Amino acid sequence: GENVEQHPSTLSVQEGDSAVIKCTYSDSASNYFPWYKQELGKGPQLIIDIRSNVGEKKDQRIAVTLNKTAKHFSLHITETQPEDSAVYFCAAERGNSGNTPLVFGKGTRLSVIA
Amino acid sequence: DAGVIQSPRHEVTEMGQEVTLRCKPISGHDYLFWYRQTMMRGLELLIYFNNNVPIDDSGMPEDRFSAKMPNASFSTLKIQPSEPRDSAVYFCASSFDGSRYEQYFGPGTRLTVT
Repeated sequence: GENVEQHPSTLSVQEGDSAVIKCTYSDSASNYFPWYKQELGKGPQLIIDIRSNVGEKKDQRIAVTLNKTAKHFSLHITETQPEDSAVYFCAAERGNSGNTPLVFGKGTRLSVIA
Repeated sequence: DAGVIQSPRHEVTEMGQEVTLRCKPISGHDYLFWYRQTMMRGLELLIYFNNNVPIDDSGMPEDRFSAKMPNASFSTLKIQPSEPRDSAVYFCASSFDGSRYEQYFGPGTRLTVT
């Protein structure tokens, strides 16, 4: 089955700097890779996703890149702000049967220092 | 829409007691997921339903856990008897078939078993 590894587990950046979180996956048949943000006391919320037919996707200060050959994808946050502080999870579709759910990474706790 | 609704938000119980967690998915969503989140194991999928039918319960830790979805607007996760190691935050999420992997999470139930 699918296995998703996420690094780093914690990340501290100065406000205004960029943050990068990386994930690797094991199932070459996976083709959907979302990123979720979890704020304190809340459930995870989808912030951006990418499918295997594209290599990069941007949404304002957030971007995701995908390298299917190497089986890794990354989240990039530019011009970080204190409200970006949260736990971020990557995920990948598990398997290729079309009826399988997501497998999540362990999460990265991002702290943006003002 | 009110989003995914979970109750209770917090539950404290003694070891050996029965615990029932409740979830109301977003109207129109036909997939429902139950997750457990702990520091050690991250976000784990316990079980998921499609059109009220359990599809994959391989993540249910043991027979003490059971889940039901009697109709499209309600699901329960029951633990009987509860144990201290069941202490975690339990999330319910839902999605619709057209975008199966874009899951909407509820606020979670924080369970403490003493």
